[in-house]
Amino acid sequence: GNSVTQMEGPVTLSEEAFLTINCTYTATGYPSLFWYVQYPGEGLQLLLKATKADDKGSNKGFEATYRKETTSFHLEKGSVQVSDSAVYFCALSDFSGAGSYQLTFGKGTKLSVIP
Amino acid sequence: EPEVTQTPSHQVTQMGQEVILRCVPISNHLYFYWYRQILGQKVEFLVSFYNNEISEKSEIFDDQFSVERPDGSNFTLKIRSTKLEDSAMYFCASRTSGASTDTQYFGPGTRLTVL
Repeated sequence: GNSVTQMEGPVTLSEEAFLTINCTYTATGYPSLFWYVQYPGEGLQLLLKATKADDKGSNKGFEATYRKETTSFHLEKGSVQVSDSAVYFCALSDFSGAGSYQLTFGKGTKLSVIP
Repeated sequence: EPEVTQTPSHQVTQMGQEVILRCVPISNHLYFYWYRQILGQKVEFLVSFYNNEISEKSEIFDDQFSVERPDGSNFTLKIRSTKLEDSAMYFCASRTSGASTDTQYFGPGTRLTVL
């Protein structure tokens, strides 16, 4: 079956530090990959996505590259801000047979950025 | 920008009681989902819904659960007889098409507490 593994949190960084959150996946097919973010008290928001190998998704300074050879989709940002404090979820969408393409999520990584 | 809405934001109920969680998906979306997140654990898929019927469900979605789209806008999740282990955050999501590359848009969630 499908699964997503993320690095355990919480992660605490100082403002302007470099961020990496590791994500690896196992899928039976050829999945699309997503990063969702959950700010305190809010729902899940799409941060970025990539739909095929070597694609790079990017948004708000965050980037992730779909690496088929290492089955990874690590999230990076060069300089984090306090406003980036949130929980980050890696997820995949793969053909399930019934065609519903539900998401399989990682456990989430809580990021705290301190001034 | 259109968004998925959910009500209530927090529901407290006694074990054995029925609860109905409500969602209003984005208006031109055709695929609907429920997920849940038990505190500290992964976001888990419960059920997907398309063309007025369940297209796929997980092992979690047993006979105690049901979904309905009673009119053109609402999408509901009913738990007939709640158990303590049903306490979780429940997320509704929707998307336009059935493609794996398509983004699912999530609501802010309903926190269900079963006492």
